[in-house]
Amino acid sequence: EVQLVESGGDLLQPGESLRLSCAASGFTFSGDWMHWVRQTPGKGLVWVSYISPDGTTTNYADYVNGRFTISRDNAKNMLFLQMDSLRAEDTAVYYCATGRTYAMDVWGQGTAVTVSS
Amino acid sequence: QTVVTQEPAFSVSPGGTVTLTCGLSSGSVSTNHYPSWYQQTPGRAPRLLIYITNTRSSGVPDRFSGSILGNKAALTITGAQADDESDYYCVLFLGRGTWVFGGGTKLTVL
Repeated sequence: EVQLVESGGDLLQPGESLRLSCAASGFTFSGDWMHWVRQTPGKGLVWVSYISPDGTTTNYADYVNGRFTISRDNAKNMLFLQMDSLRAEDTAVYYCATGRTYAMDVWGQGTAVTVSS
Repeated sequence: QTVVTQEPAFSVSPGGTVTLTCGLSSGSVSTNHYPSWYQQTPGRAPRLLIYITNTRSSGVPDRFSGSILGNKAALTITGAQADDESDYYCVLFLGRGTWVFGGGTKLTVL
């Protein structure tokens, strides 16, 4: 069974940093593109970032503004999102998802990040 | 900045047919945007329904179908059921490794 499990969500103050993790199992992780998507409480889904199977190609939504870094460890079947200079507006549930066929195929259950002073 | 538009809300009667759309603030949606559709119920992760415009994801009932209608992507639910009451999101690939979600449509079945 394909499974994604996010972790690392926390309550932080503005300006702090956080690293989210996504553990993958049940499929060939090293062969898939991967995405991070977030959802503000009570609001819609927003694409954050994606990474190629070998980790050499990445891209980010404009609002990230150089503050986030996506990475992966194919040997450990892990996806990461390093988030720096966090702002209140980054408060959201963050989902990782597999990226096949230009879509987000399988999603994790999400991990909650709250940024508040 | 490109905005992906969806109807904020829609309602359908049980057994009825409803078509939700996904447009662009500037320009037309085409198959080159690889439209995909997701269903989300409160407190749950999204579920992929349709990808590459009209391909159903594994296990998705055939009452869900995707298409291009005019200048928009469309998700049609034929024979709506009570458990179709959910939020529905579309995503468009805008090229250069960028995806954008629509704002979502809250579907009520009553």
